Amino acid sequence: GAVVSQHPSWVICKSGTSVKIECRSLDFQATTMFWYRQFPKQSLMLMATSNEGSKATYEQGVEKDKFLINHASLTLSTLTVTSAHPEDSSFYICSARDLFHEQYFGPGTRLTVT
Amino acid sequence: KQEVTQIPAALSVPEGENLVLNCSFTDSAIYNLQWFRQDPGKGLTSLLLIQSSQREQTSGRLNASLDKSSGRSTLYIAASQPGDSATYLCAVLSTNAGKSTFGDGTTLTVKP
Repeated sequence: GAVVSQHPSWVICKSGTSVKIECRSLDFQATTMFWYRQFPKQSLMLMATSNEGSKATYEQGVEKDKFLINHASLTLSTLTVTSAHPEDSSFYICSARDLFHEQYFGPGTRLTVT
Repeated sequence: KQEVTQIPAALSVPEGENLVLNCSFTDSAIYNLQWFRQDPGKGLTSLLLIQSSQREQTSGRLNASLDKSSGRSTLYIAASQPGDSATYLCAVLSTNAGKSTFGDGTTLTVKP
């Protein structure tokens, strides 16, 4: 099956710094990628939808200036958490949708802000 | 607006049992329905994708069915094993939406 990678798998950063998470579709082209966050024992929460070459569409309540999303190519999307604070600590998961509208998920990135 | 419900929220069965997980959705105008599993602290793994024109899909011990008219899908797991313990989520892609709507999942525990 199709593979989506995420890097890094975990990161610890200090409050006020920025963190970039990469999401890559390794063996297919993804016109659409999604970013989710998930708190322990809770459901996935969609943060934004990104289409290659255009601005991301953010869900209600998600600050676009804080969570910067760039979908630079058909295989790469990045999420930058700017000026991170402890409340941004979470599990961030990306997914990519192929031409057949099947969705594949990355392994997730655990962010801890101290 | 599409709403997806999964019942039960949690299920515990002894090893070897056959079981059924349920997913219901409110808008039958769908493009596809996808079943995933998530292990603790991991991403989601795609299990089965059913296109709107299909009635079922099978992969190994898994069988997923789709009844658009009644807004239901089931995931059947045969001869359950402890390794099947995980949270199972269904996701519905509506025809007028760019994103899938996820249920909250059913957490399955298979006891040895």
